[in-house]
Amino acid sequence: GENVEQHPSTLSVQEGDSAVIKCTYSDSASNYFPWYKQELGKRPQLIIDIRSNVGEKKDQRIAVTLNKTAKHFSLHITETQPEDSAVYFCAAILSSGGYQKVTFGTGTKLQVIP
Amino acid sequence: NAGVTQTPKFQVLKTGQSMTLQCAQDMNHEYMSWYRQDPGMGLRLIHYSVGAGITDQGEVPNGYNVSRSTTEDFPLRLLSAAPSQTSVYFCASSYSGSESKYFGPGTRLTVT
Repeated sequence: GENVEQHPSTLSVQEGDSAVIKCTYSDSASNYFPWYKQELGKRPQLIIDIRSNVGEKKDQRIAVTLNKTAKHFSLHITETQPEDSAVYFCAAILSSGGYQKVTFGTGTKLQVIP
Repeated sequence: NAGVTQTPKFQVLKTGQSMTLQCAQDMNHEYMSWYRQDPGMGLRLIHYSVGAGITDQGEVPNGYNVSRSTTEDFPLRLLSAAPSQTSVYFCASSYSGSESKYFGPGTRLTVT
């Protein structure tokens, strides 16, 4: 089955610095890669996603890159702010017709130090 | 729109008891799914549905049943609760399998 590895498990950065979180996946058929942010005690919320036919996507301070050959994708947060502190999860999803396989990474706890 | 709602927010069960976790969405999403979240393990897919009358197993389906009689509702049933089912359960919905999933607020379940 699909295996998603997420690194690092914890990350501390100074406010204003950049943060990068990387995920690798094993199933080359996976075709959708979302990133979720989860604050303590809250539900996961989508922050950005990318499909397998795209190499990079940006939304203000957040970007995601996908390398299909190497089977890895990364989340980049620039100019970090204290409110970026949360746990971030990646996911690799294979969706085809009525079939779906969803595998989440184990999460990265990001701490932005003011 | 209320989005995705879940009840109850908290539940304590004794081993062997049964219960149903409720999930509803008002966005007319076809896809609905149930996840459990355990410390250090991310979210794991239990069951999912791609439309009314259609359900399928995810990564960790054992001990759980689902049904989808309407587009709006997707209840998760625990027939005989076990301590290993202590977890936070999230329901999610989306337009399709490769679109953004909207998560409910979660149900924290403890089985003693």
